Amino acid sequence: ILNVEQSPQSLHVQEGDSTNFTCSFPSSNFYALHWYRWETAKSPEALFVMTLNGDEKKKGRISATLNTKEGYSYLYIKGSQPEDSATYLCAFGEYGNKLVFGAGTILRVKS
Amino acid sequence: GAGVSQSPRYKVTKRGQDVALRCDPISGHVSLYWYRQALGQGPEFLTYFNYEAQQDKSGLPNDRFSAERPEGSISTLTIQRTEQRDSAMYRCASSLALAGGTGELFFGEGSRLTVL
Repeated sequence: ILNVEQSPQSLHVQEGDSTNFTCSFPSSNFYALHWYRWETAKSPEALFVMTLNGDEKKKGRISATLNTKEGYSYLYIKGSQPEDSATYLCAFGEYGNKLVFGAGTILRVKS
Repeated sequence: GAGVSQSPRYKVTKRGQDVALRCDPISGHVSLYWYRQALGQGPEFLTYFNYEAQQDKSGLPNDRFSAERPEGSISTLTIQRTEQRDSAMYRCASSLALAGGTGELFFGEGSRLTVL
């Protein structure tokens, strides 16, 4: 059974704070690690797809790192804004196999 | 179409009825997933297809649930003899790449099923 865990479950920060959260996944048979942003009443949208150990991706104020040997990925948000409020989902993929999602981290940014 | 299309968007049915949920993926997308999503939770895997082949249906809760993708495009998730516990948002997603790979998933808007 593939187990993808995300922590913390929820996070409340003030506007301007930087924050980060974790996705843990199996370290064997790794092929890809996905991050998605999911706003309430909308569908999840892809942020990053990462495949290489040590990879770092950045999109605006959001960045992610990947450690496949120890089985974790961090998502960082610099200078959080109210519009960053969403649920952040990670998903683990083995090649040719299903993509398994974690339960998500709920981020609420107060202005 | 431009995106993944799901229908119906909302379905209210009585317990014991059968329902069919349709997913029309982005044209040319190879893999197609079905997920179930409880309120405030991440997507729970149900089943997936690479082309027309159903690769893994281990997430289907029981034998009342089935899915098909006969021509490698449109997929239907069927729930027979619905029960109240089946009430949820059912999401479909498709990707240009084979399942589990580097292709990002594009999600449909979901079908909200309510079983009375």
